[in-house]
Amino acid sequence: GENVEQHPSTLSVQEGDSAVIKCTYSDSASNYFPWYKQELGKRPQLIIDIRSNVGEKKDQRIAVTLNKTAKHFSLHITETQPEDSAVYFCAAWNTGFQKLVFGTGTRLLVSP
Amino acid sequence: DAGVIQSPRHEVTEMGQEVTLRCKPISGHDYLFWYRQTMMRGLELLIYFNNNVPIDDSGMPEDRFSAKMPNASFSTLKIQPSEPRDSAVYFCASSLGGVSYNEQFFGPGTRLTVL
Repeated sequence: GENVEQHPSTLSVQEGDSAVIKCTYSDSASNYFPWYKQELGKRPQLIIDIRSNVGEKKDQRIAVTLNKTAKHFSLHITETQPEDSAVYFCAAWNTGFQKLVFGTGTRLLVSP
Repeated sequence: DAGVIQSPRHEVTEMGQEVTLRCKPISGHDYLFWYRQTMMRGLELLIYFNNNVPIDDSGMPEDRFSAKMPNASFSTLKIQPSEPRDSAVYFCASSLGGVSYNEQFFGPGTRLTVL
């Protein structure tokens, strides 16, 4: 089945810095890659997603890049703010198994 | 729309007791997912339904866990008997399927503590 690895597990940055979280997937049949943000005690919420026919997508301060050949995708947050502090999960939707497989999460801490 | 609704939000029970978690998906969504989240294992897919039919239950940890979806607006996840290692946050999520995969919307979760 699909396996999604996510790094780093924790990331501490200063306010205003950029943050990058990386994920790799194993099955080339995966074609949809969402990123979820989960604040403490809250539910995961979609912040951005990308499909396999696109290499990059941007939404204000966040962007996601996808390299299908290398089977990896990344989340980029620029000009980080304290409210960006949360756990971020990447995921891959596998068309063969018809399921969304999540990475293990990255705890981002943005210090003022 | 009220979003995905789960009940109860918190459940504390003793080992050996039966626990039933409930979920109401977003109206019109045809996929429903049950996840379990723990610090050790992260976010795990337990089972999912399409049009009320269970499609993949390979994530259900053992026979103590069962899930049903009697209609398009209601699903239950039952644990019988419960054990302390079942303590976790259980999320229900729903999505609108089709040719292209679409966003999963998560409910607020049920925090289960088994003593």
